[in-house]
Amino acid sequence: EAGVVQSPRYKIIEKKQPVAFWCNPISGHNTLYWYRQNLGQGPELLIRYENEEAVDDSQLPKDRFSAERLKGVDSTLKIQPAELGDSAVYLCASSLDRWSEQFFGPGTRLTVL
Amino acid sequence: AQSVSQHNHHVILSEAASLELGCNYSYGGTVNLFWYVQYPGQHLQLLLKYFSGDPLVKGIKGFEAEFIKSKFSFNLRKPSVQWSDTAEYFCAVDFGYGGSQGNLIFGKGTKLSVKP
Repeated sequence: EAGVVQSPRYKIIEKKQPVAFWCNPISGHNTLYWYRQNLGQGPELLIRYENEEAVDDSQLPKDRFSAERLKGVDSTLKIQPAELGDSAVYLCASSLDRWSEQFFGPGTRLTVL
Repeated sequence: AQSVSQHNHHVILSEAASLELGCNYSYGGTVNLFWYVQYPGQHLQLLLKYFSGDPLVKGIKGFEAEFIKSKFSFNLRKPSVQWSDTAEYFCAVDFGYGGSQGNLIFGKGTKLSVKP
């Protein structure tokens, strides 16, 4: 069974540029999570989707971050404009539902110069 | 605020040594507890979890963890580590009430290096 797929794996951009990350969850998983992991820290939840609905986006910095999950499958996370402090690994995870084990993707390592 | 603390940033052991990694969390209500592992170059994967029942939980690869409610702790143990256990270990807690149930709060992680 294929795991959670994320792309790109690495991204280097200059500050003030936009950037987008893509996630394809495990087939049949209704719940999708985006996390941000800063260097030396554990992952921090940004947003959780139940199907196509964002049910918890309280930690998403809405002034520059946006996310969508069209048709309740793939999801994209966007930053516009990026700031130096956004350099981190962005992780996507999925689960059958919010009470089930979360499976993580490999992450996208973002470097903002 | 809810928080998860992992006491050790970096642990270095020789093969066959015993391992115990500490994890404490704030809040005294019902929680679900997890340990995740990230091997070098790989993604996070679940090592073990506790929802209810026997507070001693066994996971994959010989790992176990004990939930002590009175101490708000969920320490990870392995009697004899191997070089292949070199990885970063994350404790995570689902503080699980209302709409936030299912949202995990992670500790900062403990890097384990096992010397052959």
